[in-house]
Amino acid sequence: DVKVTQSSRYLVKRTGEKVFLECVQDMDHENMFWYRQDPGLGLRLIYFSYDVKMKEKGDIPEGYSVSREKKERFSLILESASTNQTSMYLCASSFGTRFYEQYFGPGTRLTVT
Amino acid sequence: GNSVTQMEGPVTLSEEAFLTINCTYTATGYPSLFWYVQYPGEGLQLLLKATKADDKGSNKGFEATYRKETTSFHLEKGSVQVSDSAVYFCALRGGATNKLIFGTGTLLAVQP
Repeated sequence: DVKVTQSSRYLVKRTGEKVFLECVQDMDHENMFWYRQDPGLGLRLIYFSYDVKMKEKGDIPEGYSVSREKKERFSLILESASTNQTSMYLCASSFGTRFYEQYFGPGTRLTVT
Repeated sequence: GNSVTQMEGPVTLSEEAFLTINCTYTATGYPSLFWYVQYPGEGLQLLLKATKADDKGSNKGFEATYRKETTSFHLEKGSVQVSDSAVYFCALRGGATNKLIFGTGTLLAVQP
């Protein structure tokens, strides 16, 4: 079974802190994604990567950056956390051209105070 | 632009009841359509898909038919179980884009 793990289930940070969210997948997938999930808004794509060191902006990249130094790991970085970044963050991965068949991690609920 | 609209939840049903969760879409061209499910405490997982008009996707007793004339992809199940309690997301992939557009999700609660 594909396993996508995220470093924390719950995280509380202060405004202005630099925050790292880590995601690791164990199935050698080329593509990895970061979403945020908010009530009434569904899932919105922040960034995705289709190869090591490659990244593309999603629909809401402002205030975020990403890093993919190894194929299995995709990090989301909040350079200076703000309260409007309080959300559930979901990581996903998929194989090759099968972008639509995404495997998701359980999510990290981030609270910025 | 592309978008997905789902019925608002929660949907509360008794065990063995018939389920319909409505999903309509707006897209240019011929999108592919998907249903994802998120069980409590878990990540989303692909439930079923349909890639062209009149296709029927099915899995675990759930079905959805791609209706181009009504731009709909409603999820149905003939007899729900308590274990079907979850959040269901309709999604589309439109045209040349590699991105999925998700609906807001519909919470289903099945009572014994």
